[in-house]
Amino acid sequence: AQTVTQSQPEMSVQEAETVTLSCTYDTSESDYYLFWYKQPPSRQMILVIRQEAYKQQNATENRFSVNFQKAAKSFSLKISDSQLGDAAMYFCAYRVQGGSEKLVFGKGTKLTVNP
Amino acid sequence: NAGVMQNPRHLVRRRGQEARLRCSPMKGHSHVYWYRQLPEEGLKFMVYLQKENIIDESGMPKERFSAEFPKEGPSILRIQQVVRGDSAAYFCASSPVGSGNTIYFGEGSWLTVV
Repeated sequence: AQTVTQSQPEMSVQEAETVTLSCTYDTSESDYYLFWYKQPPSRQMILVIRQEAYKQQNATENRFSVNFQKAAKSFSLKISDSQLGDAAMYFCAYRVQGGSEKLVFGKGTKLTVNP
Repeated sequence: NAGVMQNPRHLVRRRGQEARLRCSPMKGHSHVYWYRQLPEEGLKFMVYLQKENIIDESGMPKERFSAEFPKEGPSILRIQQVVRGDSAAYFCASSPVGSGNTIYFGEGSWLTVV
């Protein structure tokens, strides 16, 4: 069974600084997708970034980028120039290609941004 | 283009009552997923449906829970004889047909059982 592990229950960062959130996963599949979702206090699940496993290039979306290490099964999220609005729960998720295509989530990391 | 619409946003039920949660997917999306989030936890997959078909219900509790996605109308997650442990946020998500498409989430329905 696929599992996703986020080893940091809580993280904090100063405004304008950079923070990295860790995620590891376990799978025997070769084709899959990885995601980071943000859940602010409103509780809505917002897609931050997505990575296809077959792509060697790390995905980036403005201030958000990932470090995808397929062999190590690691998928960390880097947030640059942190803003107060980045404060939220961040969930790493895995999805296998084909089949039911359900998402498997980690337990989340609570990010606090200090002014 | 409206997003995934869920209602009600908040629902309070007494133990033993039934809860019905509705989800209208994004326009053009034919795949619907339901997830449950317990307090201080990540989301857990419950069920994956396409129109008139349940594709994967491996995350659904064996009793009291059911889901449908009829040809017309929203997807419904139904919980019969609710218990306090059913109190949670229930998220619906949808995606277009085809493998690998991004899944988009609704704002969630919060069920409180008193």
